[in-house]
Amino acid sequence: AQSVTQPDIHITVSEGASLELRCNYSYGATPYLFWYVQSPGQGLQLLLKYFSGDTLVQGIKGFEAEFKRSQSSFNLRKPSVHWSDAAEYFCAVGANQAGTALIFGKGTTLSVSS
Amino acid sequence: DVKVTQSSRYLVKRTGEKVFLECVQDMDHENMFWYRQDPGLGLRLIYFSYDVKMKEKGDIPEGYSVSREKKERFSLILESASTNQTSMYLCASRPPDNYNEQFFGPGTRLTVL
Repeated sequence: AQSVTQPDIHITVSEGASLELRCNYSYGATPYLFWYVQSPGQGLQLLLKYFSGDTLVQGIKGFEAEFKRSQSSFNLRKPSVHWSDAAEYFCAVGANQAGTALIFGKGTTLSVSS
Repeated sequence: DVKVTQSSRYLVKRTGEKVFLECVQDMDHENMFWYRQDPGLGLRLIYFSYDVKMKEKGDIPEGYSVSREKKERFSLILESASTNQTSMYLCASRPPDNYNEQFFGPGTRLTVL
């Protein structure tokens, strides 16, 4: 069975600084990987996803993530954080198997300081 | 745009009541999902459905049931609500292939008193 670990529960970053949110997954084959963002009081919005091809994927709002098979990781990055990026971020893994659902990590809360 | 709607944003019920949470999607997606979200626990899968009248248990199905009589509608049922079911409930839908994203509704915050 697949699983996801987000080691950081809460991160604070200064506005304008770079950001990296960590995600490690466990799955026997090549997984489908997703990052979602949830702003306060809102539903989940997809930032980006990886399922094949180039291991560096670009998403919305200036985010990118890199799939590293050797490290079982899919870390999310942004070169310069804006105050509006303060939110909760979820990494999710999906299996290449019919009749399965995404498995989510516990989330990382991002605070942005001025 | 894909739209997933949930019948209520906020709901307050009493212990022992039967509770229905409704979810409707407008993109003809085969797959639909119910998660609950709790602080520090992330999203946990309760049930999902990959076709009309089909359902699969997720990680935490105890105390819940589901119904999918029409493709666009997926209902979560709490047969006898308990205080430990106070939570945020999120519905999602997705096309059949697993590499597609899941589209989420805005959530229903349920409080059981």
